[in-house]
Amino acid sequence: DQQVKQNSPSLSVQEGRISILNCDYTNSMFDYFLWYKKYPAEGPTFLISISSIKDKNEDGRFTVFLNKSAKHLSLHIVPSQPGDSAVYFCAASVAGGGADGLTFGKGTHLIIQP
Amino acid sequence: EAGVTQFPSHSVIEKGQTVTLRCDPISGHDNLYWYRRVMGKEIKFLLHFVKESKQDESGMPNNRFLAERTGGTYSTLKVQPAELEDSGVYFCASSQGRLGTRHFFGQGTRLTVV
Repeated sequence: DQQVKQNSPSLSVQEGRISILNCDYTNSMFDYFLWYKKYPAEGPTFLISISSIKDKNEDGRFTVFLNKSAKHLSLHIVPSQPGDSAVYFCAASVAGGGADGLTFGKGTHLIIQP
Repeated sequence: EAGVTQFPSHSVIEKGQTVTLRCDPISGHDNLYWYRRVMGKEIKFLLHFVKESKQDESGMPNNRFLAERTGGTYSTLKVQPAELEDSGVYFCASSQGRLGTRHFFGQGTRLTVV
């Protein structure tokens, strides 16, 4: 029973355009959400996070939007660059602000085409 | 600052053998986590140490897995005896603090049981 779902295994976007990665969750106790980026043969690296008390957090080219009523979050990357090609994982934490164990989705493989 | 380091990076063992994975967290990080990713699936939480104490081991698959963190520094994860389904990439992560906490991941240990 997956509590964090990333329904798109892969996404192809042209360089310079906007990439939108989606994530849905089922556990209403989740209160902290994170996005991680992973290159092959490396560990996940933190990208951006958002607390459940916010609906938007922005960091440079990356913006995360949270819709609590829909239990949905999305990561926007604009403009997309070739180095953004990687697997992106959505993760969530229960009542721990991120210090407790994270629940991950299966990931979305983002491919940026030149 | 050194990141989270894991050893070995790869391990191939026969079914029934024992393997021990090691993780050195970022210096000063009290929180240490083990995760596992089986091919094509999500990254799954195994357990969480706070210093030398097991905070949450709800994700450990069964009693063939034993994790330790003596002295609250590095951690080991032993699989004994290994089974075919134990194959996957084992990630270690560390973090400090509670709120707004992000995990820093190691590069992972790829375990193959044949």
